[in-house]
Amino acid sequence: GEDVEQSLFLSVREGDSSVINCTYTDSSSTYLYWYKQEPGAGLQLLTYIFSNMDMKQDQRLTVLLNKKDKHLSLRIADTQTGDSAIYFCAGTSGYALNFGKGTSLLVTP
Amino acid sequence: ETGVTQSPTHLIKTRGQQVTLRCSSQSGHNTVSWYQQALGQGPQFIFQYYREEENGRGNFPPRFSGLQFPNYSSELNVNALELDDSALYLCASSNPTGPEHEKLFFGSGTQLSVL
Repeated sequence: GEDVEQSLFLSVREGDSSVINCTYTDSSSTYLYWYKQEPGAGLQLLTYIFSNMDMKQDQRLTVLLNKKDKHLSLRIADTQTGDSAIYFCAGTSGYALNFGKGTSLLVTP
Repeated sequence: ETGVTQSPTHLIKTRGQQVTLRCSSQSGHNTVSWYQQALGQGPQFIFQYYREEENGRGNFPPRFSGLQFPNYSSELNVNALELDDSALYLCASSNPTGPEHEKLFFGSGTQLSVL
């Protein structure tokens, strides 16, 4: 299966940009995803990118994909306190999504 | 909020018991996947159901089994519960042949505690 690695924790000030990074080992993923999980809740699909793209922008979210380095990042512009949550990157692996352990984002006023 | 609903939201069982978790997929979605999320970890794929048959399975023992019904809803059954089965169980639905085939939508999960 695919190994997906993420840094565990990130703290930013409200209004700053956040960048959450992810590396993966399996280059055969067709799609790569970012999900958000708030305490006690399920996973919310934030955005995703097709593997033949290198960038996707969706309002405050920008996804960058570097296939050569197997590196995926999520940039959140103008981060708000409501963005505090755990963020998971995931890649397709056959029928499944293979998730990282998640990055806990704390946004301070 | 997605249209994927799971029940119950919380459940407490004792070791050795059996449990059934339920999931209703989003309208128009014919594929259901189940994931186990242990505390502090990312979700781990258990299996996927399409057209009432299991068509993909992760690294979970046979005491984890499932069903999918003609209305695409699904059940996850776990026999002989172990303490390590304590986790959040997430159901996700998708339509692999539809216009948003790449999207997987998750429910809020069932928190299972095994004592």
